[in-house]
Amino acid sequence: AQTVTQSQPEMSVQEAETVTLSCTYDTSESDYYLFWYKQPPSRQMILVIRQEAYKQQNATENRFSVNFQKAAKSFSLKISDSQLGDAAMYFCAYRSPDSNFGNEKLTFGTGTRLTIIP
Amino acid sequence: DTEVTQTPKHLVMGMTNKKSLKCEQHMGHRAMYWYKQKAKKPPELMFVYSYEKLSINESVPSRFSPECPNSSLLNLHLHALQPEDSALYLCASSHPSSLREPQHFGDGTRLSIL
Repeated sequence: AQTVTQSQPEMSVQEAETVTLSCTYDTSESDYYLFWYKQPPSRQMILVIRQEAYKQQNATENRFSVNFQKAAKSFSLKISDSQLGDAAMYFCAYRSPDSNFGNEKLTFGTGTRLTIIP
Repeated sequence: DTEVTQTPKHLVMGMTNKKSLKCEQHMGHRAMYWYKQKAKKPPELMFVYSYEKLSINESVPSRFSPECPNSSLLNLHLHALQPEDSALYLCASSHPSSLREPQHFGDGTRLSIL
């Protein structure tokens, strides 16, 4: 079974600075999908960024980028120019490509609470 | 704006009550999910519906009864709940086009059992 580990329960960063959240996972599969979700106090889980394991290029979405190291099974999230609205719980998630549609499961990490210091 | 709409946002009920949670999406998604999330924990999958049929039940107690009346609507019927069932209940949906498509989540219903 796949496991996802987020070793940083809490992180803080000064506004406008850069912060990196770590995520490691364990799998025997060669192809899969990885996601970072953000959950602010408003409760909704919001997709931040996604990465396909077969792609060597790291995904980027505006101020958000990932450092995907497939051999090391590492998928860290970098947030540049941190803003107050980035304060949230961040979850790393893994999805197997073998999942038939409708039978897919997301395996979540335990989350990292990010605080932005004004 | 949330594309997956959940109602109510908050619910307080006694252990003998019967209530229902509702989830609605109009994105054409054909898979819908119920998750339970305790404070400071990740979401835990409860049920998955695919094309309006139950495809996954993660050994959830029978006091939780899901229903998918049509492709846009997902309900979770609650009966004789226990205090430990107090949690945030999240609904999600996903599109059948590709496995790379993410699940879209609603805002959740915060449930408190007295």
